Amino acid sequence: KAGVTQTPRYLIKTRGQQVTLSCSPISGHRSVSWYQQTPGQGLQFLFEYFSETQRNKGNFPGRFSGRQFSNSRSEMNVSTLELGDSALYLCASSLNSRVDTQYFGPGTRLTVL
Amino acid sequence: TQLLEQSPQFLSIQEGENLTVYCNSSSVFSSLQWYRQEPGEGPVLLVTVVTGGEVKKLKRLTFQFGDARKDSSLHITAAQPGDTGLYLCAAFFGNEKLTFGTGTRLTIIP
Repeated sequence: KAGVTQTPRYLIKTRGQQVTLSCSPISGHRSVSWYQQTPGQGLQFLFEYFSETQRNKGNFPGRFSGRQFSNSRSEMNVSTLELGDSALYLCASSLNSRVDTQYFGPGTRLTVL
Repeated sequence: TQLLEQSPQFLSIQEGENLTVYCNSSSVFSSLQWYRQEPGEGPVLLVTVVTGGEVKKLKRLTFQFGDARKDSSLHITAAQPGDTGLYLCAAFFGNEKLTFGTGTRLTIIP
């Protein structure tokens, strides 16, 4: 069974731009969660989607948004990028909720210049 | 806000030695997970513990959940270079919000 895939793996943007990251979950998994990982703050929960609806949300500004499609694939968008948005963005999928075992993708490394 | 503190933050030991990593919280958690993350990859779940006082073993790794459900430890026996990585604890605090710990970066020197 294929694992969680994330595209692109690396991205360089400049301040003020916006970015869209993509995540394809494991086949059959309906819950997709997004996390931000930085050396200073560690791994922080952004949001979770299930059946195309946002089910949980972390403490991030409205510049961070996401969506999920009918095939469970998910995208997250960050608008008006700031230097502090530089991070590894991880996507995790699970069968039905984050209480189920989560399987993480390799992440997208975003650098904001 | 629930916080999970891990100690030590960094650990570098020789192959064959034993080590223990700790995960502590000021709040009670309903369940706790341990992950290992290697460079260029996402975290991989090692174990989930749900019962206070529970002990689980995974080959040379022993995971313990504190009786008060506010702490956990990971003990590695006879560490090997393949154990190198970032170890993360993560807990559910009575809801579905998974909170990750600050992480322990472990390096095993051959």
